[in-house]
Amino acid sequence: GENVEQHPSTLSVQEGDSAVIKCTYSDSASNYFPWYKQELGKGPQLIIDIRSNVGEKKDQRIAVTLNKTAKHFSLHITETQPEDSAVYFCAASSLGGGADGLTFGKGTHLIIQP
Amino acid sequence: DGGITQSPKYLFRKEGQNVTLSCEQNLNHDAMYWYRQDPGQGLRLIYYSQIVNDFQKGDIAEGYSVSREKKESFPLTVTSAQKNPTAFYLCASSATSGIHALAKNIQYFGAGTRLSVL
Repeated sequence: GENVEQHPSTLSVQEGDSAVIKCTYSDSASNYFPWYKQELGKGPQLIIDIRSNVGEKKDQRIAVTLNKTAKHFSLHITETQPEDSAVYFCAASSLGGGADGLTFGKGTHLIIQP
Repeated sequence: DGGITQSPKYLFRKEGQNVTLSCEQNLNHDAMYWYRQDPGQGLRLIYYSQIVNDFQKGDIAEGYSVSREKKESFPLTVTSAQKNPTAFYLCASSATSGIHALAKNIQYFGAGTRLSVL
């Protein structure tokens, strides 16, 4: 099955700086890569996703890049703000057929220092 | 107000007791999922269901059971066989068909149920 590795487990950055979180996956059949943000005591919320037919996707201060050859994808947050503090999860899935769940990384606790 | 509703928010289980966590969605999604979240472990898939009256085991199904009698409901029972049930439980749903291909299989999560053992 799929295995997703996520690094780092904790990331502390100064407000206004950029943050980068990296994930690798093992199953070359995976073709859908979402990123979720989870605030304390709440369920994860989808913030951006990318499919394997594109290499990069941006949404305001958030971007995701995908390297299919190397089987890794990254989340980039620019001009970080205090409200960006949360746990971020990457995930991988195959959209080819049934909906059999996402395989998640273990999460990155992002801390924005004022 | 569309979405996924999990209840209760907090639940306590006594030794040897079965408890049931509720998950309801009004998004008209075909697929529903249950995940378990432990500190530092990410989310792990317990069970999933692609259609009414059908469900499949995920990676950590032992000690859990589910039913899918209605499209909008996917309750999870934590049985007494689950020896370490303390965790945060998350329910999700996704559309598996429809006009907008880009919307397929995107999973939306509920707010979670925190289960503790007394």
